[in-house]
Amino acid sequence: DSGVTQTPKHLITATGQRVTLRCSPRSGDLSVYWYQQSLDQGLQFLIQYYNGEERAKGNILERFSAQQFPDLHSELNLSSLELGDSALYFCASSTSGGRAFYNEQFFGPGTRLTVL
Amino acid sequence: GENVEQHPSTLSVQEGDSAVIKCTYSDSASNYFPWYKQELGKGPQLIIDIRSNVGEKKDQRIAVTLNKTAKHFSLHITETQPEDSAVYFCAATESGYSTLTFGKGTMLLVSP
Repeated sequence: DSGVTQTPKHLITATGQRVTLRCSPRSGDLSVYWYQQSLDQGLQFLIQYYNGEERAKGNILERFSAQQFPDLHSELNLSSLELGDSALYFCASSTSGGRAFYNEQFFGPGTRLTVL
Repeated sequence: GENVEQHPSTLSVQEGDSAVIKCTYSDSASNYFPWYKQELGKGPQLIIDIRSNVGEKKDQRIAVTLNKTAKHFSLHITETQPEDSAVYFCAATESGYSTLTFGKGTMLLVSP
């Protein structure tokens, strides 16, 4: 158990809908990262938050957004869902995450999103 | 940006054999290289990592080597066991950042 929690475990929804995925980092970790895992694209970095502020952006679509709250939990919002958004979404956390720092990222169990 | 290539995509070995997974990276300024193990239905689990100022690191049956000149790093698993069966991912940092770029993964199957 990494200490990172994600809810829900599974989510089934229809095209055009909007969903919210939730992540609670390990106790004491300030950084949260979101990744998308699909069969054809592998593990793709989406976005990073550090202590409430957006720190880095990866291959995140404009239909997707995220935020980190004062208690450090994070939510990933996916809107106008398409069939191709079906994937596993992982959250990871780390102690730091500022530029020029390298530190271990610990992953949660993921949320499996199915768009029908 | 950073690009990480991982080989092979699948690897089958007999229990007790060694397994080697290789990765190459493109950004010469990358400085941190972790390896993750992902079992079916679970999130990736960090198993070992190496920093750019170190050439080799060992942890029991697992070792990682780094060749900065050639920009490649490898995972070595000795005395493989069936419970080592999983998908293994290598990753590298972007220069000056802590975000990771992952390889496509290697499915390791250890047969009893």
